[in-house]
Amino acid sequence: ETGVTQTPRHLVMGMTNKKSLKCEQHLGHNAMYWYKQSAKKPLELMFVYNFKEQTENNSVPSRFSPECPNSSHLFLHLHTLQPEDSALYLCASSQPTNTEAFFGQGTRLTVV
Amino acid sequence: GENVEQHPSTLSVQEGDSAVIKCTYSDSASNYFPWYKQELGKGPQLIIDIRSNVGEKKDQRIAVTLNKTAKHFSLHITETQPEDSAVYFCAAPGGRGNQGGKLIFGQGTELSVKP
Repeated sequence: ETGVTQTPRHLVMGMTNKKSLKCEQHLGHNAMYWYKQSAKKPLELMFVYNFKEQTENNSVPSRFSPECPNSSHLFLHLHTLQPEDSALYLCASSQPTNTEAFFGQGTRLTVV
Repeated sequence: GENVEQHPSTLSVQEGDSAVIKCTYSDSASNYFPWYKQELGKGPQLIIDIRSNVGEKKDQRIAVTLNKTAKHFSLHITETQPEDSAVYFCAAPGGRGNQGGKLIFGQGTELSVKP
């Protein structure tokens, strides 16, 4: 266990559905991240939050909407997704400085 | 911005042999280089990292070397065991400030250790 917990572990949703991914960290970190991992591609950084404020959005489509209510929780709200959005979505946390990042187990998302 | 290249994409070794995975980076200002191991169905797990003020770091059977001049770093696994089989990712900081979780990843190396 890395101290970063993601739920659900697996999610199947239709293109018209709305769902949310949840991430929780118990490491006392103040930075949290969403990454996307597609088959045959490197991990791609999507969003960065420092002290609950979004500091980076790597040109992510608006059908992905992050939310960070506090430094321990991070959500990714999903709506009207496309089949190509099927991937493993990983949450990570760290301190907002040059220190180690820890990843959760990921949510395996399938859009049908 | 930073660009990270990782080779090879697949690596197969016999149990007990050594395995070496290499990465290059483009931003000379980068100063933190972690390596992650990802087993099937799990998230990436940090296994070792190195900062630019040292050239080598060891932790039991794994070691990482860094050549700042050439902008490349390598992961060395000695006395490989079947449980070392996984996908390994190198990474470098993405952007100014070298924030630890803001990383640019290599493409990954699928290591297979045959008993």
